[in-house]
Amino acid sequence: GEDVEQSLFLSVREGDSSVINCTYTDSSSTYLYWYKQEPGAGLQLLTYIFSNMDMKQDQRLTVLLNKKDKHLSLRIADTQTGDSAIYFCADRPQDDKIIFGKGTRLHILP
Amino acid sequence: DAGVTQSPTHLIKTRGQHVTLRCSPISGHKSVSWYQQVLGQGPQFIFQYYEKEERGRGNFPDRFSARQFPNYSSELNVNALLLGDSALYLCASSLGGQGPYEQYFGPGTRLTVT
Repeated sequence: GEDVEQSLFLSVREGDSSVINCTYTDSSSTYLYWYKQEPGAGLQLLTYIFSNMDMKQDQRLTVLLNKKDKHLSLRIADTQTGDSAIYFCADRPQDDKIIFGKGTRLHILP
Repeated sequence: DAGVTQSPTHLIKTRGQHVTLRCSPISGHKSVSWYQQVLGQGPQFIFQYYEKEERGRGNFPDRFSARQFPNYSSELNVNALLLGDSALYLCASSLGGQGPYEQYFGPGTRLTVT
């Protein structure tokens, strides 16, 4: 069935780059997304990538997609304390639903 | 412009009761989706409505139902509440149709079942 997996925790020093990885199972995915959730808040769409693209860059964010391996990554350059949050990878296998991973908690070390 | 709004913010119910959660999408958005987020997990898809019709349903029992009104606002109803229904219920709106389907989420309704 459809599944999205990601590691649960990541610790990064302030100023370094953070790389959050995700794998998905559905080969018919059209779009893949990265969402950010801060404590007590709803989900914020950070970026998305169409399945026929390999890379998308948006300011400090870089998304890489390896469709053959069904692997998606989010790189955050120059990580700041405000980047501390839970990051969700999400897959759109069909037009009518989006499948979320369990989320990666990003912790910033001083 | 107002974002997605949900009401109520918090709710406490007893097992066996019924609950109705409400969502108003961003102006101009015709699609509303509902998600359940249990603590420590990612959101689980419950329903999607587009132009007042159900377009998708997740793996939830028939106790869960929803509808979308002519003004595109939506209600999620849950009957015969169980302790396991305690969660954050998120509503997301989008333009719908084809394309990247960018969803914008509301702050959620925190439901506690005792």
